[in-house]
Formats: sequence, C-alpha cells, structure tokens
Amino acid sequence: NAGVTQTPKFRVLKTGQSMTLLCAQDMNHEYMYWYRQDPGMGLRLIHYSVGEGTTAKGEVPDGYNVSRLKKQNFLLGLESAAPSQTSVYFCASSLVFENTEAFFGQGTRLTVV
Amino acid sequence: AQSVTQLGSHVSVSEGALVLLRCNYSSSVPPYLFWYVQYPNQGLQLLLKYTTGATLVKGINGFEAEFKKSETSFHLTKPSAHMSDAAEYFCAVRNTGFQKLVFGTGTRLLVSP
Repeated sequence: NAGVTQTPKFRVLKTGQSMTLLCAQDMNHEYMYWYRQDPGMGLRLIHYSVGEGTTAKGEVPDGYNVSRLKKQNFLLGLESAAPSQTSVYFCASSLVFENTEAFFGQGTRLTVV
Repeated sequence: AQSVTQLGSHVSVSEGALVLLRCNYSSSVPPYLFWYVQYPNQGLQLLLKYTTGATLVKGINGFEAEFKKSETSFHLTKPSAHMSDAAEYFCAVRNTGFQKLVFGTGTRLLVSP
C-alpha cells in the first residue's frame, strides 16, 4: 500500500536553479494538493487540482507552477528557486467528497542556498 | 471564507495528565472538521474527523474531539497523556462545496515524564 509517494525526499538547490517535485498516488483520488510547511505557519496551500488536466491556485502560488497530466501524478515546479522557498513540501490527495480526509506523503525537505 | 484558529503554539503536559488542544473554526455553512497528527520528520496522518451526526468523535490512540456549533469549536482531548503523544497536531476544515482543505497553524504537544 504505497498511498502518496513524494520524490525526492531531500534536495539542496542554489538560488536561481529549477527543479520539479513529483507526487504520485495509487488510490485513484480525484483531488491532489501541494502544501508548504514553515515553522509557526502551519500548512499553506500552494496549488491544487480537482482532476486530470486541471489546476488551481491556493494561498501562496507565486514562484511555483504545477501540472496534472495524469490522474495519479501531480508535479510541482520551481522555475527559479529563491531562499524564501526553503521549506518542507507536502503532497496530499483525497476523494471528491468534502467529508473525506486527505492522505499525505512523507514530505520533501528543500533548502535553497 | 473558511478558517481555523489553534490557540497555543505549544502545550506542555506531564505524562498521565489531561491533554486539551484547542481549535476554533470560522464558517458560514456547516463544516467538516479534521484533526491530524505529525510525528517528527513524517507526513500528516488523520486522528479523527467530524462530518455529520454524533458531535463527540473518537479517533485513534485514545483521542476524541467534540463539535460545538454554538462555540464554533472542535477541541481535541485525551484523558491521559503518553510520552508517545509528543507530536504536532493540526486542525483543518473543509466546507460543503469547497475543494480546499484549510489548516490551522498547529500546536506542538510536549509530554514530560
């Protein structure tokens, strides 16, 4: 039972570099989310998707792009990394219904130097 | 807009003492409420959720929460803390028709011997 899998688990980037974080889920969930977690700020929604081929902005979308070409995958891209994007990134997925919980990956710890 | 407020970024208890973590929500429609736990260097896992029906909800590891509409609260309790309960706890809300799951800023529970 893999659930939600994030790769990579750790990454160090230099300012200005680009990278893509991959999220894969095997539960056939429609909804997928990308959050960032920073001390004292909880989890803030970056982007989300309600189905294959659709994406929408969350609370803190600037500096990030996403794509959902396949239902099971949700990619988060950083085109030009900045130190302010140093964070722990979590992917989650859920069924369509509002009374269902989201399932989370183990997180990606990203440091931008 | 939906939101949750968690009072107290840190709560300290002694082993065997009552645990009370506070969560208040803001919502114009009946909400769906969730408590998640995050152990160090791990993702979030669901403790319990309130959807409809019984207002006292029991979760895993002996935790429970009571939905009080008049107080717009969904506080998490456990009668007797265990050392293994030390973790960060997040309250979250999602409303009917809203696709996003919104988190509070989290409360770190510290348990001393």
